[in-house]
Amino acid sequence: GQSLEQPSEVTAVEGAIVQINCTYQTSGFYGLSWYQQHDGGAPTFLSYNALDGLEETGRFSSFLSRSDSYGYLLLQELQMKDSASYFCAVKGDDKIIFGKGTRLHILP
Amino acid sequence: DADVTQTPRNRITKTGKRIMLECSQTKGHDRMYWYRQDPGLGLRLIYYSFDVKDINKGEISDGYSVSRQAQAKFSLSLESAIPNQTALYFCATSALAGGDEQFFGPGTRLTVL
Repeated sequence: GQSLEQPSEVTAVEGAIVQINCTYQTSGFYGLSWYQQHDGGAPTFLSYNALDGLEETGRFSSFLSRSDSYGYLLLQELQMKDSASYFCAVKGDDKIIFGKGTRLHILP
Repeated sequence: DADVTQTPRNRITKTGKRIMLECSQTKGHDRMYWYRQDPGLGLRLIYYSFDVKDINKGEISDGYSVSRQAQAKFSLSLESAIPNQTALYFCATSALAGGDEQFFGPGTRLTVL
């Protein structure tokens, strides 16, 4: 079967760094994506990794290890506006499967 | 103007009623998707379409049907709504190539009584 595992909740302090992990098991693998969703809003795309390594986009970075079926999203210099849910998603065969999401709480 | 629009944004209906949710996009994307979101369950794929003549079932297609009327329009129907179909429904689009970034509509909150 296909599955993605990510923590349900993470708490961090404003200005700090937080890492959200994602492990996956899928039939076929083409890439790992990350999405952000604020309460009441729609998911918005953050990053996509097709190859092993780290991709950096501003304060956000995403890492992939295909051999370990593992990836993470790294958020630096946390701001209160980063409080949201974060979803990893795997593109396998011909469709995308989403994880259940990680709720990020940020303390002032 | 929004690139992906959904109508209605909110709908309350009764068990057994037929409901249609509509999605339109101006992004020119070939690929369109319908998801439902339930608390703690993330996004689950209902149906997807890679072009007008292509319709595919997702993880949870039972109780749902879709119609791809044009490249820009993709509708989701509940033939006979039941209470456990109460959820937030999202339409999304993506381009054929690249990282398969998906662009989501604002969502439709459906309540079945």
